[in-house]
Amino acid sequence: GAVVSQHPSRVICKSGTSVKIECRSLDFQATTMFWYRQFPKQSLMLMATSNEGSKATYEQGVEKDKFLINHASLTLSTLTVTSAHPEDSSFYICSARWPSGSDTQYFGPGTRLTVL
Amino acid sequence: GNSVTQMEGPVTLSEEAFLTINCTYTATGYPSLFWYVQYPGEGLQLLLKATKADDKGSNKGFEATYRKETTSFHLEKGSVQVSDSAVYFCALSEGDYKLSFGAGTTVTVRA
Repeated sequence: GAVVSQHPSRVICKSGTSVKIECRSLDFQATTMFWYRQFPKQSLMLMATSNEGSKATYEQGVEKDKFLINHASLTLSTLTVTSAHPEDSSFYICSARWPSGSDTQYFGPGTRLTVL
Repeated sequence: GNSVTQMEGPVTLSEEAFLTINCTYTATGYPSLFWYVQYPGEGLQLLLKATKADDKGSNKGFEATYRKETTSFHLEKGSVQVSDSAVYFCALSEGDYKLSFGAGTTVTVRA
């Protein structure tokens, strides 16, 4: 149980285009999901907290207009990297908090974004 | 703010050796503490957790005890296997359910 999927697993795009990454909780409902960024050989950096039916909460230094987050249902959150540039190339990971009153997060397998 | 410091790797061991990965934390209150593991090519998986002082989390032969007096949550396993090769992350969560991660420790176990 508590499986989180991400799609796509890898994406390559040209500079200036937008890319959407999906995060789904497959066997549970999640009111809260999180988006992280992981640089090579480094730890995970929290980008934003995604709450179903409301606006995402972004961490300091994360551009909300560049990283658009939508949490339209209890099983799906999306991260759109707008006008992507090579410096946005990274590994993006989502997680979902479950059960709703718990502090435990279940993580997706990650999406490798490469911007040319 | 909250922070987690864990020992730098990489760590290379032989099978059946004893593994310890040190983790210390800084927090304003009483956080929950976690160890996550990331196997090659996979996402992070929760390995174990502890929610209050003196609690011991355990799973798959790994153990960690929440030590409030030393603000530590060291991970231990008595006899590692090749399949334990992975990156291990110590993390804490306090109040707002956000996780703060350590830098990660890469462990390689050789047959």
